[in-house]
Amino acid sequence: DARVTQTPRHKVTEMGQEVTMRCQPILGHNTVFWYRQTMMQGLELLAYFRNRAPLDDSGMPKDRFSAEMPDATLATLKIQPSEPRDSAVYFCASGLVQGPVTGYTFGSGTRLTVV
Amino acid sequence: AQSVTQLGSHVSVSEGALVLLRCNYSSSVPPYLFWYVQYPNQGLQLLLKYTTGATLVKGINGFEAEFKKSETSFHLTKPSAHMSDAAEYFCAVSAATGFQKLVFGTGTRLLVSP
Repeated sequence: DARVTQTPRHKVTEMGQEVTMRCQPILGHNTVFWYRQTMMQGLELLAYFRNRAPLDDSGMPKDRFSAEMPDATLATLKIQPSEPRDSAVYFCASGLVQGPVTGYTFGSGTRLTVV
Repeated sequence: AQSVTQLGSHVSVSEGALVLLRCNYSSSVPPYLFWYVQYPNQGLQLLLKYTTGATLVKGINGFEAEFKKSETSFHLTKPSAHMSDAAEYFCAVSAATGFQKLVFGTGTRLLVSP
């Protein structure tokens, strides 16, 4: 089965450090989402891309977060500087939107702990 | 804009009982609707989706959902709960046109007792 690959699976870092999370979408998918999941806020949409172009990143704290798709096989989410409140599980999802969407496939997530 | 309301943060059923998880949506344009399941320490897995056509959709693991436009609902059901169904369930909506941003509800945790 095709899958979305996220790395790293776990990351512990100190406050103030830069964190980069990576996502390899399923080959042929043209849409990529980044979500953050916490107990308090649930699933928050941070950013999403269509054909590598950012469509909406209004959910992302602009001062410290950035999301990019340098090519069709890689999406990155970067936090600089990281803060303890950024501790969460970050999910990437990809899908093919070409008429009716076929559904979105989620990666296993990156569990980030900022101490 | 789209939004989803899931009624009940926790639902408890006995093994073999009917499972009913409620989802109401709001959308200014025709919606696509989804149910996802999340097991502990895992990502989200698509259970089923409604895009167009038949309003009763069947998914994996014996789950099904019915799109009711008049009630703006997309409730998830399963006739007989199994212990392995214990998980968190998320309803999600996107617009059928345009950017199709995927918006999730707050989730419902399903507890299944023997």
